[in-house]
Amino acid sequence: DIVMTQAPLSVSVTPGESASISCRSSKSLLHSNGITYVYWYLQKPGKSPQLLIYRMSNLASGVPDRFSGSGSETDFTLKISRVEAEDVGIYYCGQLLENRTFGGGTKLELK
Amino acid sequence: EVQLVETGGGLVQPGKSLKLTCATSGFTFSNAWMDWVRQSPEKQLEWVAQIKDKSNNYATYYAESVKGRFTISRDDSKSSVYLQMNSLKEEDTAIYYCTCRFFNYGSYFDYWGQGVMVTVSS
Repeated sequence: DIVMTQAPLSVSVTPGESASISCRSSKSLLHSNGITYVYWYLQKPGKSPQLLIYRMSNLASGVPDRFSGSGSETDFTLKISRVEAEDVGIYYCGQLLENRTFGGGTKLELK
Repeated sequence: EVQLVETGGGLVQPGKSLKLTCATSGFTFSNAWMDWVRQSPEKQLEWVAQIKDKSNNYATYYAESVKGRFTISRDDSKSSVYLQMNSLKEEDTAIYYCTCRFFNYGSYFDYWGQGVMVTVSS
């Protein structure tokens, strides 16, 4: 199985500042078709996970453009610009190249 | 509005069976790939099973941890997906989410239900 490793475990951010979350995969997520199969999700308190970013850098429908995704074949970053109160929760990266696996999660809280 | 509603969870003894149902609406179910994903009490997400659409021959895939014990199925006429869980173990205790994945007008969608709790304990 492809292992997804996230860092940090938690991050505390002042509203209006930026935050970055890292994710590393145990093998390349770049398919021969040129698509990198990494995804980012946010699980708000008491809710189900919701899709933020798909295929490494594509913003999901309805997601504010304060969120952005980038990376290489094995190292990925989710950046949140101008953090707001509604961004609090646990962020997960995931891969869909081979079945589906997820990182351990990064908890974002406000200072 | 896309909706996925899971039912069938509860408390069950080790070795027993349980069947989860996910009823959906708000999207073209027959074109979607459906998954079950579970979340442990420690908040770790684990993919459980997947069933593809008719054009992919309803192919199914399972995590090693559940292979041979769990069966995923779907009924396109009812826009529903199921997870039959046999020989349950205490480590199967988790919130089980039904998810759907599909493309529409060039965008990718990935929705999750509200989840249903399964507790395996004697």
